Amino acid sequence: AQSVTQLGSHVSVSEGALVLLRCNYSSSVPPYLFWYVQYPNQGLQLLLKYTSAATLVKGINGFEAEFKKSETSFHLTKPSAHMSDAAEYFCAVLELGNEKLTFGTGTRLTIIP
Amino acid sequence: DAGITQSPRHKVTETGTPVTLRCHQTENHRYMYWYRQDPGHGLRLIHYSYGVKDTDKGEVSDGYSVSRSKTEDFLLTLESATSSQTSVYFCAISELAGGPYEQYFGPGTRLTVT
Repeated sequence: AQSVTQLGSHVSVSEGALVLLRCNYSSSVPPYLFWYVQYPNQGLQLLLKYTSAATLVKGINGFEAEFKKSETSFHLTKPSAHMSDAAEYFCAVLELGNEKLTFGTGTRLTIIP
Repeated sequence: DAGITQSPRHKVTETGTPVTLRCHQTENHRYMYWYRQDPGHGLRLIHYSYGVKDTDKGEVSDGYSVSRSKTEDFLLTLESATSSQTSVYFCAISELAGGPYEQYFGPGTRLTVT
């Protein structure tokens, strides 16, 4: 069975600082992994995805994530936080052959001016 | 942006009344999903559809039913609304055959049951 754990329901970083949002997954087969972002009162928007090509995946808005099989992790990073990055971020896993995504409980990112 | 609309966007209803939420897509994607979002729970799958008239349950399906009579429309019905069904409901679509595998989300419906 697939599952996702996001460490830290709330993360605060200063503007210009590194953003690191953690995601660990459990999957019985090689997974597909996704990061979504949700701005207030909006739906979820895809940030990036890992589908077994490159292990370092670049997404929109300067975000990237690295798939580490040995650590079962898919952490999201951005070198320099911007005020517009304030949002909630969700990690999700999909096992090929399974039509359903499993989401983590989300991490709310706050940017301190 | 993927062509997904949800209606209504906001609804207030009373306990015990039936409620139907509609999801409409213009992408001709095969898969459609209904989620609910609650603080501390992330998104939880209610029901999903893998084709016209083909549906299956998700992890929180009790008290909900769905129907899909056309590729573009996926309806979620609360047979008799309860206060525990107060939530934000999201529809999503996906085309899994050959990829790209990600789901695209609608703008959400905020439902309040009083």
